[in-house]
Amino acid sequence: SQQGEEDPQALSIQEGENATMNCSYKTSINNLQWYRQNSGRGLVHLILIRSNEREKHSGRLRVTLDTSKKSSSLLITASRAADTASYFCATGGGTYKYIFGTGTRLKVLA
Amino acid sequence: GAVVSQHPSWVICKSGTSVKIECRSLDFQATTMFWYRQFPKQSLMLMATSNEGSKATYEQGVEKDKFLINHASLTLSTLTVTSAHPEDSSFYICSARVPQNHDGYTFGSGTRLTVV
Repeated sequence: SQQGEEDPQALSIQEGENATMNCSYKTSINNLQWYRQNSGRGLVHLILIRSNEREKHSGRLRVTLDTSKKSSSLLITASRAADTASYFCATGGGTYKYIFGTGTRLKVLA
Repeated sequence: GAVVSQHPSWVICKSGTSVKIECRSLDFQATTMFWYRQFPKQSLMLMATSNEGSKATYEQGVEKDKFLINHASLTLSTLTVTSAHPEDSSFYICSARVPQNHDGYTFGSGTRLTVV
């Protein structure tokens, strides 16, 4: 299976703390994307990082990509209760067929 | 931006009946769409790739006769779950490639299917 793996599977932190999630994948990619999913809802696109990029920022989000290790990390700084959700990485190759990671369930406690 | 409208957002059906889910690109032409399934507390699993005007490509382990995909126009792909069973209850999400954007993609809001 090409599915990526994320760790941790679940993360519980206090509001204001930073949350870091990691994603590992198996095949070469064109880009990697991170998504958020609130319980029972659709996906919200967070950020896309291309294979020739190493780091990208968007507001409180910071994503890194290490293609040599086939891994990426998502950092959410100064977390809020509203950040509680599941987070998935998705890797895309030339076919634009995105394969999703196993996901990290983040819970931010107020 | 490119929007994909997925309908219905939820549906309850009886065992043995068929259910159709629509995925429509609103302001762009989608030559390729993807259908995913997600079980509770699990990740999204790609089911099939839908190509306009040709047969869908199914992932290993997905029954093509059970999950019928039709992509008859550049703006509409449908997934029909035939002879639904309770184990087909899941969250189904479509995704479309936005052709003018090299890395383009956009996802529908998903359909919660419950088979009773």
